[in-house]
Amino acid sequence: SAVISQKPSRDICQRGTSLTIQCQVDSQVTMMFWYRQQPGQSLTLIATANQGSEATYESGFVIDKFPISRPNLTFSTLTVSNMSPEDSSIYLCSVEFDGLRTEAFFGQGTRLTVV
Amino acid sequence: GNSVTQMEGPVTLSEEAFLTINCTYTATGYPSLFWYVQYPGEGLQLLLKATKADDKGSNKGFEATYRKETTSFHLEKGSVQVSDSAVYFCALRPGGYQKVTFGTGTKLQVIP
Repeated sequence: SAVISQKPSRDICQRGTSLTIQCQVDSQVTMMFWYRQQPGQSLTLIATANQGSEATYESGFVIDKFPISRPNLTFSTLTVSNMSPEDSSIYLCSVEFDGLRTEAFFGQGTRLTVV
Repeated sequence: GNSVTQMEGPVTLSEEAFLTINCTYTATGYPSLFWYVQYPGEGLQLLLKATKADDKGSNKGFEATYRKETTSFHLEKGSVQVSDSAVYFCALRPGGYQKVTFGTGTKLQVIP
């Protein structure tokens, strides 16, 4: 299993600013992901955070808007850049252990409100 | 590709009613199947899982049986409580290095 600490848990930000969200895992994992959950909606995968290389982004998400760092196997950050009210969402960090058919583990999420 | 289809919500039930949330899947091979729960303002928590055909996952009074013949993993609870109000996600993970695929979630509201 994995315990994931995500912070901040919530924030209210001004439009045009940036926020960096941190995700710390208590064990080394290969697969780490960032999701967005807009109000009342399901999960949307933003990107896969790759250790030592650039993140792999899903369609509709770009590095300039959502830069991701993954300096080691236990830590990652997601930055939401040049924010607008449309970025108001819950952002979730998730990890999976590769090579096994085991479940995904989630952080508590970061509730972002852009005003 | 892999996909999960679950019934649309919201589902509104009275306390002590019987709950069923339908989930069907498409996947190659023999995936593991999961139900996650998301309480208001929180992240996703694993509720139960099953890793092979005919397995029954259970937790907190919830049950789901892995039915390969119908590619289904329906969530059931005999008597819901107000505290069960949450969003429920069905998910699967195939073998190898493929990641988890989630359904769209079903919101459950239980009224006293």
